Order: sequence, then C-alpha cells, then structure tokens
Amino acid sequence: GAVVSQHPSRVICKSGTSVKIECRSLDFQATTMFWYRQFPKQSLMLMATSNEGSKATYEQGVEKDKFLINHASLTLSTLTVTSAHPEDSSFYICSASSRLETQYFGPGTRLLVL
Amino acid sequence: GQQVMQIPQYQHVQEGEDFTTYCNSSTTLSNIQWYKQRPGGHPVFLIQLVKSGEVKKQKRLTFQFGEAKKNSSLHITATQTTDVGTYFCADFSGTYKYIFGTGTRLKVLA
Repeated sequence: GAVVSQHPSRVICKSGTSVKIECRSLDFQATTMFWYRQFPKQSLMLMATSNEGSKATYEQGVEKDKFLINHASLTLSTLTVTSAHPEDSSFYICSASSRLETQYFGPGTRLLVL
Repeated sequence: GQQVMQIPQYQHVQEGEDFTTYCNSSTTLSNIQWYKQRPGGHPVFLIQLVKSGEVKKQKRLTFQFGEAKKNSSLHITATQTTDVGTYFCADFSGTYKYIFGTGTRLKVLA
C-alpha cells in the first residue's frame, strides 16, 4: 500500500520560533497533498490543499503567511509554522493523493509551543 | 459552507454489543469515505461509498449510504476491544477536498 511519512513526529519549541514539518510520499507520486490540523478530541480540519508546482489553496480562516506550504516535488510537501505561539500547539497531519478520490495519511506531527 | 455532523459524539459499549455511528450532511454528499483513528494515531481509510443506497460489508462492519445521499452509517456487530477509536466520515466534495465529519469516539469495555 501507499506509504506517507512525516517528520518530525513530535516537536517542542519556544514561542516565536518557526517549525518546519515535512510530508513525503515514499512509494508513489503525489500530485496533491492536504494539510490538516487536529485539536485534542476534535475532528480533522483542512488547512490547505497543495498541488505540485503551484501555490497552495488555503481554507478560510487559515493565515497563509503564518502557515507556509511548499510542494516542490511530487513526493515532498512542507508546512512551516512561522513565529509559533502556544495556540498553534496541535496535531498536524498531512495526506497525499495521486488520484483525488483516495488520500493516504502520514503519521502526524505533534507540535507543542511553550 | 457544508457541515458534516456525526452522532453520537461518544459511545461506550460492552464488548460484544453492537455499535452504530451516523453521518449527516447539510448538503448532498458526493462520495462518502469512512476512516478509523486509533488513540494517538492517524486516520486509516476503511471504505468509500459512491452510489445512492449502497451497502458494503467488511467482516463485522456494515456501511450504508442513504438513498438521498445526505447521510451514511457505520454499524459494527459484536464489538471487540480492537474496535476502540474514533470513526470519521468524510465527504470528497465537488471542490476536490475532503470535509470530515465531527467523529464518533468508541470505547469498548471488556
């Protein structure tokens, strides 16, 4: 089956620093990657849709200057949380898709901002 | 915008009892997918339903798509402790993105 990795799996940082999260599709080419955020005991909220070689499409209410997304290749997308604050602490999950009807999730990244 | 609600929000059952979660959308669903997320884990794809009135089975799990394509359900027969987790439905909408339901957290008591 399709495998998607995320790195790091867990990160703790100080308020004001930036954190980069990588999402890789290991055995297939992902034309589209999705970035989600999940707060404890809540559902997955789509943050943005990223297509290789083009600008990401952000959902309403998601600041594009704060959550920088780059999808430079068919196997890698990155999410950078800039100037992170405690309220950005969350579980960030990416998914990758080669056919839009099917997405494969990465294992997620737990971000804790102190 | 589209809202996808699931009921119940939580369910505790005794091992061996049945469990059902219902997924309801404010708009017509394009195609519905079901995912399971274990505590501390990421969502794992279970199944996709496309046709109105469709019913699919996976061992003890039965998935149903409503005739009007505005609701769906997941039924688990004779729950086991391995069924513990949160079950999400998700609509792959016409705007090529996934809208996740609110989820139902299942706890199975041995």
